[in-house]
Amino acid sequence: DAGITQSPRHKVTETGTPVTLRCHQTENHRYMYWYRQDPGHGLRLIHYSYGVKDTDKGEVSDGYSVSRSKTEDFLLTLESATSSQTSVYFCAISEPTSPETQYFGPGTRLLVL
Amino acid sequence: AQSVTQPDIHITVSEGASLELRCNYSYGATPYLFWYVQSPGQGLQLLLKYFSGDTLVQGIKGFEAEFKRSQSSFNLRKPSVHWSDAAEYFCAVAVLGGGADGLTFGKGTHLIIQP
Repeated sequence: DAGITQSPRHKVTETGTPVTLRCHQTENHRYMYWYRQDPGHGLRLIHYSYGVKDTDKGEVSDGYSVSRSKTEDFLLTLESATSSQTSVYFCAISEPTSPETQYFGPGTRLLVL
Repeated sequence: AQSVTQPDIHITVSEGASLELRCNYSYGATPYLFWYVQSPGQGLQLLLKYFSGDTLVQGIKGFEAEFKRSQSSFNLRKPSVHWSDAAEYFCAVAVLGGGADGLTFGKGTHLIIQP
């Protein structure tokens, strides 16, 4: 298994509060991704990163921001959480030599009340 | 933009029976194609992938998939399912030469195994 950890694994928060989710990898892979998974929607890409300080928006980026100050860490921030952001969040990594092949972390289950 | 359709939301199969999960994609050229499996409460595990070459690809856990360009399909098969195969299965595509900008997933097929 790829060395990917996500923290926290579970979180309950209230509407309007900021939330930061962390993805940490030990594989030194350059590319990292954040997806959200919702019933009936599969996984949808939120943001991705090609390297330190190099990020871009995905399909469902509204309400989310990311930061990558180190190769191994990719942070996802919900500036002001809303109930529509209740979801399971997955981080993924890939190598530049095979960017299409992605390895996923265990996920973070977020509930916004 | 590319898209992926998994027509079956749920499929129920008896243990020991054969399995086929359907996946259709929409893209102008041949994309990179993937099947992932997700067990309850777990992350996604890559079962197999197709980039080019032989259209029948073998994966882990006894799964295989066949790419059919004429049908824009990449169906997943297994000759004999086991109770441990009960899970959610996702088909995904990446744009040829890309993929660095993420994968596009289908909505998933929930596989139920009957004893």
